[in-house]
Amino acid sequence: EAGVAQSPRYKIIEKRQSVAFWCNPISGHATLYWYQQILGQGPKLLIQFQNNGVVDDSQLPKDRFSAERLKGVDSTLKIQPAKLEDSAVYLCASSHHGGELFFGEGSRLTVL
Amino acid sequence: KQEVTQIPAALSVPEGENLVLNCSFTDSAIYNLQWFRQDPGKGLTSLLLIQSSQREQTSGRLNASLDKSSGRSTLYIAASQPGDSATYLCAVVDSSYKLIFGSGTRLLVRP
Repeated sequence: EAGVAQSPRYKIIEKRQSVAFWCNPISGHATLYWYQQILGQGPKLLIQFQNNGVVDDSQLPKDRFSAERLKGVDSTLKIQPAKLEDSAVYLCASSHHGGELFFGEGSRLTVL
Repeated sequence: KQEVTQIPAALSVPEGENLVLNCSFTDSAIYNLQWFRQDPGKGLTSLLLIQSSQREQTSGRLNASLDKSSGRSTLYIAASQPGDSATYLCAVVDSSYKLIFGSGTRLLVRP
């Protein structure tokens, strides 16, 4: 069974530039999550989708972050404009209706 | 608001020791609890999933217990090996399938 795929693995940008991350969850998983993990901390939930609807985006900085999950499968997370404090690893995870979560390798963002 | 705490934040033990990692949560109304392992620069790997109706789960040298009423879970690692060195994260899932993480325990097993 293929795992959660994420790209790019690494991205370096200057502040005020934009960046987009892509996630392809495990086939059949209805729930998709985006997490932000700053070095030395546990992952923080940014947004949770159930199929293509948003369940929770209370911690998503909506002035600069946006996410979508068209057709209830792949998802993209965009940051525009980026700030220095956005430097982190962005993790995508999926599950089948609240069951075991499977994570991708993550996308490491460095904002200079 | 659910909060998850992990103690200790870091742990260093000699190879062969049995060890216990602790996780506590403030709201006992959970759907399940998962333990993850994270190696430096990598994503999270699921170790054990305990449903809210279960008391424990075992996988090889790992055993995780759950006491929902007291808001506690422990991860027991038997006969630790240097390859067990990683960060171990505990996370609880609430009724809306929202996953809340602790900040993790960094484990170093010395040869």
